[in-house]
Amino acid sequence: DAKTTQPTSMDCAEGRAANLPCNHSTISGNEYVYWYRQIHSQGPQYIIHGLKNNETNEMASLIITEDRKSSTLILPHATLRDTAVYYCIAINAGGTSYGKLTFGQGTILTVHP
Amino acid sequence: ETGVTQSPTHLIKTRGQQVTLRCSSQSGHNTVSWYQQALGQGPQFIFQYYREEENGRGNFPPRFSGLQFPNYSSELNVNALELDDSALYLCASSSGDTLAKTIQYFGAGTRLSVL
Repeated sequence: DAKTTQPTSMDCAEGRAANLPCNHSTISGNEYVYWYRQIHSQGPQYIIHGLKNNETNEMASLIITEDRKSSTLILPHATLRDTAVYYCIAINAGGTSYGKLTFGQGTILTVHP
Repeated sequence: ETGVTQSPTHLIKTRGQQVTLRCSSQSGHNTVSWYQQALGQGPQFIFQYYREEENGRGNFPPRFSGLQFPNYSSELNVNALELDDSALYLCASSSGDTLAKTIQYFGAGTRLSVL
């Protein structure tokens, strides 16, 4: 699975959009980009995933660049409950690792009132 | 609320002892994965069970073992506990479909302290 790089921490004002970047410059053609988050004292929570098209669900949007070397998770209207560690993971959907999530250090997002 | 429950929530053991952690998967899920999360680190994959068989394993020694039962619940066993085994142990369940295996639903974890 490709290595991902994320900023260590980010801040966001409540009600504003939070844009969390992820670099995955060595991603291969059949690797998907997944985002999970972990709120303090809880297990990780799945947010969204995508291959090459932009994706949106009720939680967030995922923008993947055309060359697929980076992506951005967007929380359109951040709330205090979105304060968490956000993990970007690249996974080979067809390989033997498809069941294994490789978490890095993630980005600590702090949403301020 | 993910429907994945883990027990116990907290556990204190001494070095050299053995421990068993339990996980009930979400209804309809046949795959269970276990992760270890040391303080300040991201979760690390231990192993995965699919239909009662080990389906993949991370870089953990054989004293970490597991079981999956016909109802798809699972156990994680750790023998000869070491101080470095102190961590949050997370269980995650998922469907058996290829891509769906990577949409995993986590429990709140078991906090293990080894003294």
